Amino acid sequence: SQQGEEDPQALSIQEGENATMNCSYKTSINNLQWYRQNSGRGLVHLILIRSNEREKHSGRLRVTLDTSKKSSSLLITASRAADTASYFCATDANSGAGSYQLTFGKGTKLSVIP
Amino acid sequence: EAGVVQSPRYKIIEKKQPVAFWCNPISGHNTLYWYRQNLGQGPELLIRYENEEAVDDSQLPKDRFSAERLKGVDSTLKIQPAELGDSAVYLCASSLDPPGSYYNEQFFGPGTRLTVL
Repeated sequence: SQQGEEDPQALSIQEGENATMNCSYKTSINNLQWYRQNSGRGLVHLILIRSNEREKHSGRLRVTLDTSKKSSSLLITASRAADTASYFCATDANSGAGSYQLTFGKGTKLSVIP
Repeated sequence: EAGVVQSPRYKIIEKKQPVAFWCNPISGHNTLYWYRQNLGQGPELLIRYENEEAVDDSQLPKDRFSAERLKGVDSTLKIQPAELGDSAVYLCASSLDPPGSYYNEQFFGPGTRLTVL
């Protein structure tokens, strides 16, 4: 089962514009992580935000977390063609019986047009 | 520092044949994961190891899938016999610490794309 749900499923923007992707989840989390996957490649970890954090930055990436709404957003500023990829949110949460698991959403497919 | 290594990168087999995937995690990472990713979906966990011990294999189809992690380093995932529905990308990942802990970012290998004909 997939806890995180990304929105939108697909996004197409012009180079230089900002891209915003959202993630909603259902249960309490330890942390939330964002990953990028280029076509035919493995996933690359982008950023981790803990449940007691509200905002985090890394280069052109900005992640927010609202635990009351059970949602997160990933903002990529000044997008580049090389940012074209699928972006996944993953929630680190208790899957039952005290065992934690990282559960991925279906991803947002971002296309940045040069 | 070398990343997670997987082999082979691609595998095409006929249904009912066996297949095996190999993974070498990042040195020092005690936690190792096998995921399956279907087209247009996110990765789904098959099994997680802490050192040599399989601590979460609830989503591994045990009738045909098996995995091992000898000496707590390399791991092998096997399917026998393969079915058409097993066509997917099989990803291996490792992390310093397990889910639920502080430093549990996962590092992924390039994956093995399996096609079952």
